[in-house]
Amino acid sequence: NAGVTQTPKFQVLKTGQSMTLQCAQDMNHNSMYWYRQDPGMGLRLIYYSASEGTTDKGEVPNGYNVSRLNKREFSLRLESAAPSQTSVYFCASSVGFSTNEKLFFGSGTQLSVL
Amino acid sequence: GQQLNQSPQSMFIQEGEDVSMNCTSSSIFNTWLWYKQDPGEGPVLLIALYKAGELTSNGRLTAQFGITRKDSFLNISASIPSDVGIYFCAGRGEETSGSRLTFGEGTQLTVNP
Repeated sequence: NAGVTQTPKFQVLKTGQSMTLQCAQDMNHNSMYWYRQDPGMGLRLIYYSASEGTTDKGEVPNGYNVSRLNKREFSLRLESAAPSQTSVYFCASSVGFSTNEKLFFGSGTQLSVL
Repeated sequence: GQQLNQSPQSMFIQEGEDVSMNCTSSSIFNTWLWYKQDPGEGPVLLIALYKAGELTSNGRLTAQFGITRKDSFLNISASIPSDVGIYFCAGRGEETSGSRLTFGEGTQLTVNP
């Protein structure tokens, strides 16, 4: 039972580099989310996809783009990384958006931007 | 936007002690949640609360949905070393755009054997 799988686990980038964080879930969930976690700030929603084919901005979308590739996969792209994007990134999924309190999280990607 | 204030920020306790933490909101919530994050992992849902005054248990954990709908409490009884981690409250409010969740800042719990 893989649940939500994120890759990579760790990444170091230089300012201005680009990268894509991958996320896949095998629970047949309709909704997927990207959060970032910073010390003392809890989890903040970057983007979400309520259902396949739709994406919407969350609380902190600037500097990011997302793609809901299919029902299973939801990727997060940093086009030009900045030090302020140093954080731990979590992908999550839920059965549907109306039941989004029951989030299933991946194990996170620790990103450092130098 | 909505804000959640979670306290305390950190706790250092001895094994066997009881723990209490709470979360307050600047506005009314219709759902309160408590998640736990183990080191190096993503958060896992512990308890979900849907009605004001609701008291729900999950093993040694008990959470309550405050009567005012602006707060929630989590108690852990007889703590053990595996209780170590970060506990997050989260809520979904009536005014939240698209029914998104708002997360608290987390309570870091350390249990000394």
